[in-house]
Amino acid sequence: GAVVSQHPSRVICKSGTSVKIECRSLDFQATTMFWYRQFPKQSLMLMATSNEGSKATYEQGVEKDKFLINHASLTLSTLTVTSAHPEDSSFYICSASRTSGGRFYEQYFGPGTRLTVT
Amino acid sequence: AQSVTQLDSQVPVFEEAPVELRCNYSSSVSVYLFWYVQYPNQGLQLLLKYLSGSTLVKGINGFEAEFNKSQTSFHLRKPSVHISDTAEYFCAVSDKAAGNKLTFGGGTRVLVKP
Repeated sequence: GAVVSQHPSRVICKSGTSVKIECRSLDFQATTMFWYRQFPKQSLMLMATSNEGSKATYEQGVEKDKFLINHASLTLSTLTVTSAHPEDSSFYICSASRTSGGRFYEQYFGPGTRLTVT
Repeated sequence: AQSVTQLDSQVPVFEEAPVELRCNYSSSVSVYLFWYVQYPNQGLQLLLKYLSGSTLVKGINGFEAEFNKSQTSFHLRKPSVHISDTAEYFCAVSDKAAGNKLTFGGGTRVLVKP
């Protein structure tokens, strides 16, 4: 159980366009989803935390108008990179957990999406 | 604020030899600790976790880790590695005060040589 999928696995887009990445929890209800970014040979950096039905909480330094996050249902969160530029090229990974705060639930990670902006 | 330091960025090791990956953390509250493995162009797979209880934690693929509160460490070990263990390994910490958010270490690349 606890499978998380991401779509697409790879995407190439032109500079100035927007691209949407989907994160789905396949066999559980994810109250909370997390979005990470990973540059080559580097660690994961948390971009934002989203709770179903409410606005995402962005980490310091992450532009919320550039990285739009929607968590409209308990099984789906989307990350839209708006007006993408080459420096946005990265590996984006989502994770999902059953709840945030209170009792601990671990995060389950998706397989990642490789974004290349040309 | 919590932080995680993985002391070795790269660890070369011969096949069937033991390996230890070091992880130290800092946090002002009780923490949960994790080790993840990442193969190229893939997401993260959980190797093991410490939530409470026994300080020696056994995980998948023959890995184990020991939580040492006094030294704020959570080192990962495997007594005999395989070529297939070549991957990037991440130590991570989470605490309730941070809303169960994970903070990752910089990663350790393990290269298993035949």
